[in-house]
Amino acid sequence: DAGVTQSPTHLIKTRGQHVTLRCSPISGHKSVSWYQQVLGQGPQFIFQYYEKEERGRGNFPDRFSARQFPNYSSELNVNALLLGDSALYLCASSDWALFYEQYFGPGTRLTVT
Amino acid sequence: GEDVEQSLFLSVREGDSSVINCTYTDSSSTYLYWYKQEPGAGLQLLTYIFSNMDMKQDQRLTVLLNKKDKHLSLRIADTQTGDSAIYFCAERRDFGNEKLTFGTGTRLTIIP
Repeated sequence: DAGVTQSPTHLIKTRGQHVTLRCSPISGHKSVSWYQQVLGQGPQFIFQYYEKEERGRGNFPDRFSARQFPNYSSELNVNALLLGDSALYLCASSDWALFYEQYFGPGTRLTVT
Repeated sequence: GEDVEQSLFLSVREGDSSVINCTYTDSSSTYLYWYKQEPGAGLQLLTYIFSNMDMKQDQRLTVLLNKKDKHLSLRIADTQTGDSAIYFCAERRDFGNEKLTFGTGTRLTIIP
């Protein structure tokens, strides 16, 4: 079975630009969470979506937004990019019946110059 | 991850046991996890333990939980070169909320 997939793998953007990151959960998983991992640190929770509804939000500015589609895939959008947004963005999916098991994708490496 | 603490580095000889430690502060944590991250990769779920358990064993991995001291450990038996990675512990606090709070990670280096 395919795991969590994310696209693109790498991305380079300029300050002030906008970026959209995509995630496809494991087949059958209806919950998707997004995390930001800055180099040398542990991942920080950004959002969780379940059945297209936001179920959790971390301490991130309003420049960060997300949505989940009817097929349970998800997008993370970041507006007005700052240098500090450079990070590995990780997506995780889980089966609500087995919600204690979250599986992560390979991540999208975003570099803001 | 300011509420979950780990040592930054650990070096172990190949074939020995590795013990990675983690402390957390929230007594309401429901599940505690161990993830492995290899260079340039995402996080691999290794194992997890429910807060009402003391120990969980899965092949070479043993998780010990001391709720009184809010201390979690991961023991890897017969450590191999493929175990070289960064290991993160994470806690999940709210039932039904999937937010995980991660530690800063422990870099495990295997000495041949």
